[in-house]
Amino acid sequence: AQTVTQSQPEMSVQEAETVTLSCTYDTSESDYYLFWYKQPPSRQMILVIRQEAYKQQNATENRFSVNFQKAAKSFSLKISDSQLGDAAMYFCAYLTYKYIFGTGTRLKVLA
Amino acid sequence: NAGVMQNPRHLVRRRGQEARLRCSPMKGHSHVYWYRQLPEEGLKFMVYLQKENIIDESGMPKERFSAEFPKEGPSILRIQQVVRGDSAAYFCASSLTGRWDSPLHFGNGTRLTVT
Repeated sequence: AQTVTQSQPEMSVQEAETVTLSCTYDTSESDYYLFWYKQPPSRQMILVIRQEAYKQQNATENRFSVNFQKAAKSFSLKISDSQLGDAAMYFCAYLTYKYIFGTGTRLKVLA
Repeated sequence: NAGVMQNPRHLVRRRGQEARLRCSPMKGHSHVYWYRQLPEEGLKFMVYLQKENIIDESGMPKERFSAEFPKEGPSILRIQQVVRGDSAAYFCASSLTGRWDSPLHFGNGTRLTVT
């Protein structure tokens, strides 16, 4: 069975600093996709970034980038130049034919 | 182009009552997923439906829970004889093709409170 693990229930970062959120997953599939979603207090789920497992190049979206280590089954999210609006729950997700989500990391941004 | 619509936004039920949660996917989307989020926890997969078919219901409790996605109308998640442990936020998401390159769109969830 596929599982997604986020071992950091909560993280804090100073405004303008960089923070890395970790995610590991377990699968026997070779073809899959990975995502990071953000959930602010409004409860809306927002796609932050996605990565195709067959691509070695790490995905980047503005201040958000991932470190994808396929052999280690690791998919961490780096947020650079953190802003107050980045404060939210962040969920790592894995997709083959259905989406499996991790338990989330609550990110606090300190002014 | 309306997004995924879930209603009601909040639902209060007494123990033993039935809860019906509705989800209208984005226009043209035929793949619907239901997730449950307990307080301070992640999204737990419940069921994946594709028009009139249940593709995967491995996350659904065996009793009291059922889901459907009829040819016409919204997807319905039904919880019979609710108990306090059913209190959670229930999210619906839809996708055009179910593939990775078809983004998953979420509704704003229904918060169920069982008293």
